[in-house]
Amino acid sequence: DIQMTQSPSSLSASVGDRVTITCRASQSISSYLYWYQRISGKAPKLLISAASSLQSGVPSRFSGSGSGTDFTLTISSLQPEDFATYYCQQSYSNPPTFGQGTKVEIK
Amino acid sequence: EVELLESGGGLVQPGGSLRVSCAASGFTFGSYAMSWVRQAPGKGLEWVSAVSGGGASAYYADSVKGRFIISRDNSKNTLYLQMDSLRAEDTAVYYCAKMSGPFTSSSKRYFDCWGQGTLVTVSS
Repeated sequence: DIQMTQSPSSLSASVGDRVTITCRASQSISSYLYWYQRISGKAPKLLISAASSLQSGVPSRFSGSGSGTDFTLTISSLQPEDFATYYCQQSYSNPPTFGQGTKVEIK
Repeated sequence: EVELLESGGGLVQPGGSLRVSCAASGFTFGSYAMSWVRQAPGKGLEWVSAVSGGGASAYYADSVKGRFIISRDNSKNTLYLQMDSLRAEDTAVYYCAKMSGPFTSSSKRYFDCWGQGTLVTVSS
């Protein structure tokens, strides 16, 4: 199975901050990388597909980049509704696997 | 609007069985593969099982193979997960998730809509 490693596991930030989360795959996964947001008590939400394609309705402050083994999710200006846990997921091979999550908390 | 609503979670003893369901609406259910993904307390997300749109093909994580069975009733727009021989480590919130396309396609093996989950607790 392909192992996905996210860093950091948690971070504290203020509204308006630029936040970057990284995700590293244990082998090359091309651009088969997806980002999800999970707010406590709500259904997880797909934010970005194929490493960098923003899903419809997702604010443009979210962006994704990377290919191969190293990927990043960036929030350009953190908003109150962005405090959540973020997960990456690879679809390159079966089984699909997720990173352990990055919890973004209010500073 | 796509909606997925899980039900059927609860407390079950080790070695017991439970079936969870997911009622889908807002899309042509039978045209899409569906999955179950779980999250144990304090842990990350773990894909559990997937089924093709027509229901003929099923896929399982090694951790549940031989104990869980995924199925669907396209006439009722409902997805199921039959869980047998449950263990304490199966305790988790179980999410129903719509897949972007066929599970066998690397470019479609991701989850574009999720339910809110149902909690399954395995404990004596």
